[in-house]
Amino acid sequence: QQPVQSPQAVILREGEDAVINCSSSKALYSVHWYRQKHGEAPVFLMILLKGGEQKGHDKISASFNEKKQQSSLYLTASQLSYSGTYFCGTEWGGGFKTIFGAGTRLFVKA
Amino acid sequence: NAGVTQTPKFQVLKTGQSMTLQCAQDMNHNSMYWYRQDPGMGLRLIYYSASEGTTDKGEVPNGYNVSRLNKREFSLRLESAAPSQTSVYFCASSEGRFNQPQHFGDGTRLSIL
Repeated sequence: QQPVQSPQAVILREGEDAVINCSSSKALYSVHWYRQKHGEAPVFLMILLKGGEQKGHDKISASFNEKKQQSSLYLTASQLSYSGTYFCGTEWGGGFKTIFGAGTRLFVKA
Repeated sequence: NAGVTQTPKFQVLKTGQSMTLQCAQDMNHNSMYWYRQDPGMGLRLIYYSASEGTTDKGEVPNGYNVSRLNKREFSLRLESAAPSQTSVYFCASSEGRFNQPQHFGDGTRLSIL
């Protein structure tokens, strides 16, 4: 049931781009994305709903392909503040709950 | 505006002791959740409450109980703590049931010896 995230970790230089993928074996209603900095609580980034929409948030955007049951998070021109662990959370027909992936660690260096 | 408040922030227990983790939100949210976070495992749902008066099991409910005391408060109880329950526990809330962003508390770091 847990969605699979890839890659598990990525190291970037400031200004580089990254893509984080999230895939599920279940038919999804929506996908959530959160970022967690070390020692802190996860912080909501965006939700993508069934319908294949793409959303943007500053230089971070995401897409949702419901046919493939996949979502991708795009980080453009990365900044040092983008460092952290990114989690996707998926909602499917199992009730009022979100199941999270294991996370992708992103480290941006100067 | 405090958001989601968890107490305590840190706790050390001995095996077999009981403990209640408290969570309160001031955003008038209907749904509340308890997660545990272990290294490399992401966030795993323990229990959730879709609305006041209801609670349901999540992915890893064994060894835990919950109480949705009122709309604001959702507590998590460990009746007989075990070392395997050493973890960081997060409480979260959301406005509604589906497709709503979750707001997390700062977490409780629990160690069981």
